[in-house]
Amino acid sequence: GAVVSQHPSRVICKSGTSVKIECRSLDFQATTMFWYRQFPKQSLMLMATSNEGSKATYEQGVEKDKFLINHASLTLSTLTVTSAHPEDSSFYICSARFASTGELFFGEGSRLTVL
Amino acid sequence: QKEVEQNSGPLSVPEGAIASLNCTYSDRGSQSFFWYRQYSGKSPELIMFIYSNGDKEDGRFTAQLNKASQYVSLLIRDSQPSDSATYLCAVTNNAGGTSYGKLTFGQGTILTVHP
Repeated sequence: GAVVSQHPSRVICKSGTSVKIECRSLDFQATTMFWYRQFPKQSLMLMATSNEGSKATYEQGVEKDKFLINHASLTLSTLTVTSAHPEDSSFYICSARFASTGELFFGEGSRLTVL
Repeated sequence: QKEVEQNSGPLSVPEGAIASLNCTYSDRGSQSFFWYRQYSGKSPELIMFIYSNGDKEDGRFTAQLNKASQYVSLLIRDSQPSDSATYLCAVTNNAGGTSYGKLTFGQGTILTVHP
């Protein structure tokens, strides 16, 4: 199957700093990528839909100024957690949609810990 | 009321038995239904999807869909210890099964298969 890579897989940062997470589709072009957040023992919650070349669509309750999403190319979307706080500590997962079939492929996830 | 509900478990079955995982959804507009498996600390991986009422079989896995009852299930035959994971049910309003759109996930059911 298609490969979606996320980087970094783990990141620890101090409160107040910003962290950027990358999501790359390695062998296909993805016009749409989705960003999810998963807290311990909870399910994946969709944060936003990222469309190449346009502004991301955020789900209700997700602060767009705090979670900056950029989808500048067909193979890369980035999520920047700005002024991170301990409550932002979570597992962030992206998925990329394979255009020809619509199938979603998930990245390996990025675990963010904010001290 | 949660949009997608699953029994969080844990569900424990002996090796070789049939594991039955259930999921109900509230949005009657839901068209396509997915089962994902997630190992601890990893991102979800697709097991199978279904969009027509009835049963769909793939190897040891059978998905069952009843749109009238808003119910979808996953049966795992001949359960193996390697099947131990969290199983996530996800739904979308996109029709056709292969047109994956925005997924809404249930909270997941923890399955433990003991030798």
